[in-house]
Amino acid sequence: DGGITQSPKYLFRKEGQNVTLSCEQNLNHDAMYWYRQDPGQGLRLIYYSQIVNDFQKGDIAEGYSVSREKKESFPLTVTSAQKNPTAFYLCASSIDLSSEQYFGPGTRLTVT
Amino acid sequence: KNQVEQSPQSLIILEGKNCTLQCNYTVSPFSNLRWYKQDTGRGPVSLTIMTFSENTKSNGRYTATLDADTKQSSLHITASQLSDSASYICVVSATSGGSYIPTFGRGTSLIVHP
Repeated sequence: DGGITQSPKYLFRKEGQNVTLSCEQNLNHDAMYWYRQDPGQGLRLIYYSQIVNDFQKGDIAEGYSVSREKKESFPLTVTSAQKNPTAFYLCASSIDLSSEQYFGPGTRLTVT
Repeated sequence: KNQVEQSPQSLIILEGKNCTLQCNYTVSPFSNLRWYKQDTGRGPVSLTIMTFSENTKSNGRYTATLDADTKQSSLHITASQLSDSASYICVVSATSGGSYIPTFGRGTSLIVHP
């Protein structure tokens, strides 16, 4: 998976709890992304970061938060405000916003 | 609104046969188009990337075509193998103020039977 790691692979949480998904890359990429994938749906962009200490909302940012304190790390927090958090979450990185994105193995989050 | 439509939604073929997947897009202004392969429960992996001036690009048994005039792309898989069973995603990027945030299609699910 190209030097991008996501952990854990499976995550279970109770409704109302915040949960943080980890994404780390050792590719020295400036840009990082978080996507959500639901069955039968295309990937939808949650947040992206062009450079350290900067990030922008994607198409479905409500109920999510991110930080980019280090170049290698881009954690995603799924808050209790996210109405339907159960999904497959994919992290990606690229040299810059115009370059090919390399994806991590994904985290499957189940909230009950 | 930028959109990427893929067809068929799913496809079942026998091992050794060829197949072609389609992608139509309305993304503008066009920057590039990528085809990704996503195995079940894994992250997508890039197969090809095409820019405006490219009509055809191959990667082993995978050949992608692009018609920028009609805004259509296809991915042809030759002599399919069981390992080709996966979802194939068309991704189109637009240039917008220096940003190249892509639009993803929903994918075509390909199943190759022995």
